[in-house]
Amino acid sequence: GQNIDQPTEMTATEGAIVQINCTYQTSGFNGLFWYQQHAGEAPTFLSYNVLDGLEEKGRFSSFLSRSKGYSYLLLKELQMKDSASYLCAVMDSNYQLIWGAGTKLIIKP
Amino acid sequence: TAGITQAPTSQILAAGRSMTLRCTQDMRHNAMYWYRQDLGLGLRLIHYSNTAGTTGKGEVPDGYSVSRANTDDFPLTLASAVPSQTSVYFCASSDGQGRDTQYFGPGTRLTVL
Repeated sequence: GQNIDQPTEMTATEGAIVQINCTYQTSGFNGLFWYQQHAGEAPTFLSYNVLDGLEEKGRFSSFLSRSKGYSYLLLKELQMKDSASYLCAVMDSNYQLIWGAGTKLIIKP
Repeated sequence: TAGITQAPTSQILAAGRSMTLRCTQDMRHNAMYWYRQDLGLGLRLIHYSNTAGTTGKGEVPDGYSVSRANTDDFPLTLASAVPSQTSVYFCASSDGQGRDTQYFGPGTRLTVL
C-alpha cells in the first residue's frame, strides 16, 4: 500500500529553527510537495522537490532523498504566523497526490 | 483574480437528502479535483477531471458523482447523504496532468445529521 508518515504535532519557539520530517512509500514517484494549512483555511503550496537535494526559498527549505523515501521541511527564524499544519504529499505513478495526515506546528513566544 | 471559489461555505444536511457542492475556477486550469479532509487523516481524493468532458474516480468515490461540462466548473453531488460524509470538502485545480502544483479553494464544511 501507499503510505506517508509525518509527526502529528511539534512545538517550537519563536525565532528558532524546526525540521518537519516526512517518510513515504508509494507506487512510483513524480515529486514531493509541501503545503501549509492554517486552521480553517485551504492548503497553500510551499515547495516541490523531484530531485535529491535541498531547495531553499526564503525562510523555508525542503530536502529530498529518493533512495531513503525521505523529505524534510526546514523553517528558520520562526514567527508566530508559522503556526499551522504542514502537509507532505507525494505524486505517484498515476500523477495523483498521496497525502500525509499533516504535522501541526505550535509556535510559542 | 478570484482563483477557485466554492459554495456553500458550510451546510448542515439531513441524511438521505441530496446536495451539490459547487466549484469554479478562473485560471483556465485543465485539471480539477475534489478532496475530503477528515481529522487525523490526509486529504483523500474523491474524483478528478484531467480536462473538460472527462472525469475519473479517486480513492474514495462511493456516494459521490461529478461532471465537467466546461473548463471552469466542477460540481460534486451527494445523491443521498449519510453521516459518514460529514467532512470538509476542498476543490483544487492544476494547469494540467503531471507534476503541476494544485491550488485549493476555501473549502465547504458539510455536516450530515
